[in-house]
Amino acid sequence: DQQVKQNSPSLSVQEGRISILNCDYTNSMFDYFLWYKKYPAEGPTFLISISSIKDKNEDGRFTVFLNKSAKHLSLHIVPSQPGDSAVYFCAASPSGTYKYIFGTGTRLKVLA
Amino acid sequence: DADVTQTPRNRITKTGKRIMLECSQTKGHDRMYWYRQDPGLGLRLIYYSFDVKDINKGEISDGYSVSRQAQAKFSLSLESAIPNQTALYFCATSDSQRSSYEQYFGPGTRLTVT
Repeated sequence: DQQVKQNSPSLSVQEGRISILNCDYTNSMFDYFLWYKKYPAEGPTFLISISSIKDKNEDGRFTVFLNKSAKHLSLHIVPSQPGDSAVYFCAASPSGTYKYIFGTGTRLKVLA
Repeated sequence: DADVTQTPRNRITKTGKRIMLECSQTKGHDRMYWYRQDPGLGLRLIYYSFDVKDINKGEISDGYSVSRQAQAKFSLSLESAIPNQTALYFCATSDSQRSSYEQYFGPGTRLTVT
């Protein structure tokens, strides 16, 4: 049973436009959510996170939105740049466990 | 120098062989994790350790064992490798002293079991 789902395996966006990556979860005990970016032949790197007490967190070009009632979060990248082309994973952690459940990833391609 | 290192980076082994993957970190973090990545399945947690005396099973621990030799070192062993353990393996660390939950990943070990 996939508790964290990224239903879009891939996404292509034109440079300068907005990229929106989506993530759904099923476990209401998740209270912290993270996004990671992964380039080929490298480990994932942390991008941005959000606690369940917030509905938005922003860091430069990256904004994460959390809709707890819908059990849905999204990552917005504005403006998208070719260097953003990577696989993006969302991850969720149940309260106090410091364990992480990852989604299957979305491959973003930003076209120049 | 990389903060989280993994050795080897690539390994091909035969079915039934014992193999150890090693992870070292210079970040001073107390928590360490082992994941595997398979195409279409994302990262799945194998084992995790919150300090030297603490070892916990993750989602998919069968066929694996771990050893936390020191705060900075966390090894993953496959006692008798099988082909469906072919995957990309990642070690990660996190710091219990920080309020954020972010993890820091090593570069990965690509393991092929023939």
